[in-house]
Amino acid sequence: DTGVSQDPRHKITKRGQNVTFRCDPISEHNRLYWYRQTLGQGPEFLTYFQNEAQLEKSRLLSDRFSAERPKGSFSTLEIQRTEQGDSAMYLCASSLTGGPSETQYFGPGTRLLVL
Amino acid sequence: GQNIDQPTEMTATEGAIVQINCTYQTSGFNGLFWYQQHAGEAPTFLSYNVLDGLEEKGRFSSFLSRSKGYSYLLLKELQMKDSASYLCALNTNAGKSTFGDGTTLTVKP
Repeated sequence: DTGVSQDPRHKITKRGQNVTFRCDPISEHNRLYWYRQTLGQGPEFLTYFQNEAQLEKSRLLSDRFSAERPKGSFSTLEIQRTEQGDSAMYLCASSLTGGPSETQYFGPGTRLLVL
Repeated sequence: GQNIDQPTEMTATEGAIVQINCTYQTSGFNGLFWYQQHAGEAPTFLSYNVLDGLEEKGRFSSFLSRSKGYSYLLLKELQMKDSASYLCALNTNAGKSTFGDGTTLTVKP
């Protein structure tokens, strides 16, 4: 257990539905990252926050995806009008600016299946 | 881009030594991470190399050569629990990491 938690751990939804995932980072960490991972591939960067500011968003992230970190603590990732191609593991990670190597600590992930 | 290449699969015997290579092409990065990921679980941090050379940490060591665009992870005294995927990742500006697709290591008795 790295101290990063994600909820839910698993989500099955029908195509076209909206889903929202939550991530609670390690409390003193100011950076929070969202990644997506599909089978046989490494995690793929989606977006990251420093405190409450969203500083970068991958070009791979379509307009159906939105992320927030309103108080600089927990974050949510919402996917609107889900598609089968959105099926993946969604990983959250947190780090401390200036911390040792800025190592990212990953949560257990939310596994999404879109039917 | 930051093309990162790792072998897809490797097999080794319990008690042996295995070296997992990672090559990359990038214009710049802060450092290189190695993570371990068991099936269905999140990646866990193993090592971080900033400078060229070997970093040793117990049974695991990691090497970096910036001039050659090359890193490796060395696992000694392999145990069955070392069967996992090993991910090489470049740490770029703002701490964002770009990952390779991982090497699935199978340790056999």
